[in-house]
Amino acid sequence: DTAVSQTPKYLVTQMGNDKSIKCEQNLGHDTMYWYKQDSKKFLKIMFSYNNKELIINETVPNRFSPKSPDKAHLNLHINSLELGDSAVYFCASSQGRGGKYFGPGTRLTVT
Amino acid sequence: QQPVQSPQAVILREGEDAVINCSSSKALYSVHWYRQKHGEAPVFLMILLKGGEQKGHDKISASFNEKKQQSSLYLTASQLSYSGTYFCGTEQGGGADGLTFGKGTHLIIQP
Repeated sequence: DTAVSQTPKYLVTQMGNDKSIKCEQNLGHDTMYWYKQDSKKFLKIMFSYNNKELIINETVPNRFSPKSPDKAHLNLHINSLELGDSAVYFCASSQGRGGKYFGPGTRLTVT
Repeated sequence: QQPVQSPQAVILREGEDAVINCSSSKALYSVHWYRQKHGEAPVFLMILLKGGEQKGHDKISASFNEKKQQSSLYLTASQLSYSGTYFCGTEQGGGADGLTFGKGTHLIIQP
């Protein structure tokens, strides 16, 4: 069984569209994250979320919004996509502040 | 604040040793180490907590010098499978707000 899964694996869309990426973890972890990896392979935290609080990296545009229907899911919704949003988006989970377990990534290409 | 990793890249022959360093200008709660292979997700290797500890994982070990806010990853008798990009990720005090990653160290192991 995949521990952290994401869909879709690839996402190609046009500027201005709205899209969502889904993430699910079956590890029973209490904290989930979204990371963005740019073309230079730089990994940057976007959001962290547990059932108590959402922490948003201040540099993330408000076009990005995480939505968590339950403890095992953390989806990422992106409004009005821009060329600069093209990147690989990784979902991850951890138990508290332990090791982070990453999903396979979603490669987003905005044209 | 982003931790600084060095070196940026290392090329080794199979069986040789390598050291990757990670330093921060801020007091750290923990240091994490991850390995990412091309086209794949980062994989958790180990976590070191403040208190100055050393951990091992097969022939990969790491140390954390709390006084200097530095961590080092040691790869002993490197194997071809060790190739990839190694990232350190750091957490400061406070809540589970995710990791701040360094820019990575690209490790190539040649036969």
